[in-house]
Amino acid sequence: AQTVTQSQPEMSVQEAETVTLSCTYDTSENNYYLFWYKQPPSRQMILVIRQEAYKQQNATENRFSVNFQKAAKSFSLKISDSQLGDTAMYFCAFRNAGNMLTFGGGTRLMVKP
Amino acid sequence: EAGVAQSPRYKIIEKRQSVAFWCNPISGHATLYWYQQILGQGPKLLIQFQNNGVVDDSQLPKDRFSAERLKGVDSTLKIQPAKLEDSAVYLCASSRGTSPHEQFFGPGTRLTVL
Repeated sequence: AQTVTQSQPEMSVQEAETVTLSCTYDTSENNYYLFWYKQPPSRQMILVIRQEAYKQQNATENRFSVNFQKAAKSFSLKISDSQLGDTAMYFCAFRNAGNMLTFGGGTRLMVKP
Repeated sequence: EAGVAQSPRYKIIEKRQSVAFWCNPISGHATLYWYQQILGQGPKLLIQFQNNGVVDDSQLPKDRFSAERLKGVDSTLKIQPAKLEDSAVYLCASSRGTSPHEQFFGPGTRLTVL
């Protein structure tokens, strides 16, 4: 079974600054995917970024990038130029070959003006 | 394209009552998932359907929870009888198939059991 741990229950950042959210996971599988999801107060879960475990290059999506360290089983999310709309819960998730997602406990991010 | 639809958005019941939630996935999506998200926690997968067959229901409390997807499209999740600890948001998601397809989530149903 997989486990996903997010050690930062809450974080805050000033608008326009950079913040990094941490995630570690545990698995015995070799082929898997990792995700960061955003859940605004409206509750709709939105995919932010994904990383295939077989790819060494870190994924990037506009202001969002990841630092994927496969040996360390670490998968952090960096948000650059933070915007007020980035305020949300962020969940790290692991997906196995059967497309089943295991989520971490989440990090509540507050972007301050 | 239209997103995943869920109803109702909110439901308040007393313990030992029954409740049902409905989900309509994105058109053409073969795989459907039900998650339970307790306040302050990440979502937990309850059941996964591939068309109208169950792929995984290992975390579904089968003594009180049931789910069906009879025609391979819409799905219902039922709780009978409800307990206080069932208070949570129930999220439905769908994807075109299994790996590596992205899961799209609905807005969820917030259940409060009194």
